[in-house]
Amino acid sequence: NAGVTQTPKFQVLKTGQSMTLQCAQDMNHNSMYWYRQDPGMGLRLIYYSASEGTTDKGEVPNGYNVSRLNKREFSLRLESAAPSQTSVYFCASSRGQQETQYFGPGTRLLVL
Amino acid sequence: GESVGLHLPTLSVQEGDNSIINCAYSNSASDYFIWYKQESGKGPQFIIDIRSNMDKRQGQRVTVLLNKTVKHLSLQIAATQPGDSAVYFCAENIPGGYNKLIFGAGTRLAVHP
Repeated sequence: NAGVTQTPKFQVLKTGQSMTLQCAQDMNHNSMYWYRQDPGMGLRLIYYSASEGTTDKGEVPNGYNVSRLNKREFSLRLESAAPSQTSVYFCASSRGQQETQYFGPGTRLLVL
Repeated sequence: GESVGLHLPTLSVQEGDNSIINCAYSNSASDYFIWYKQESGKGPQFIIDIRSNMDKRQGQRVTVLLNKTVKHLSLQIAATQPGDSAVYFCAENIPGGYNKLIFGAGTRLAVHP
């Protein structure tokens, strides 16, 4: 039981390039989330998926898109990366609302 | 190295002492609270949670206290060990809509031998 896994672990992009961050969970959780974490700040929610087939914007969705591919997988796409998107990205999942979220190990992204 | 938490408040304790990490939350309607531990280069790890109908909950070496009157949450770690060195976040759940967690910026715990 791996929990929440994320790929890649590290990525360097040039401004304007695109990429997709992958996330998968094997806990049969219904809800999945993408956060970004910047120095000295708390985690900020980018997008979430309350259940398979639904996605909604969080606190900081601009510049991102998501896809809930199936119950296990939730991907985050940067269509045209900007230096302001340099951050550490965490995926999380929870059984449902009002349930504890469990986090993946993170993807460290540097946009030059 | 880990870029998260460069400017966080730091609590320094001696190994074996008890640690108390505090958190002020923002919303009086919040009904569920979680403490996470984040080690360098890793994702946040669940430690303990508490619902708003409780004021204390104990786990293994950890206790969470909730004071709704002043919107304050604390995490007590007994007999602190070097492996407890990490950044600790509290998170509050604001009900309605979805499971929206609001995270604090965190406190760095440094355990010295």
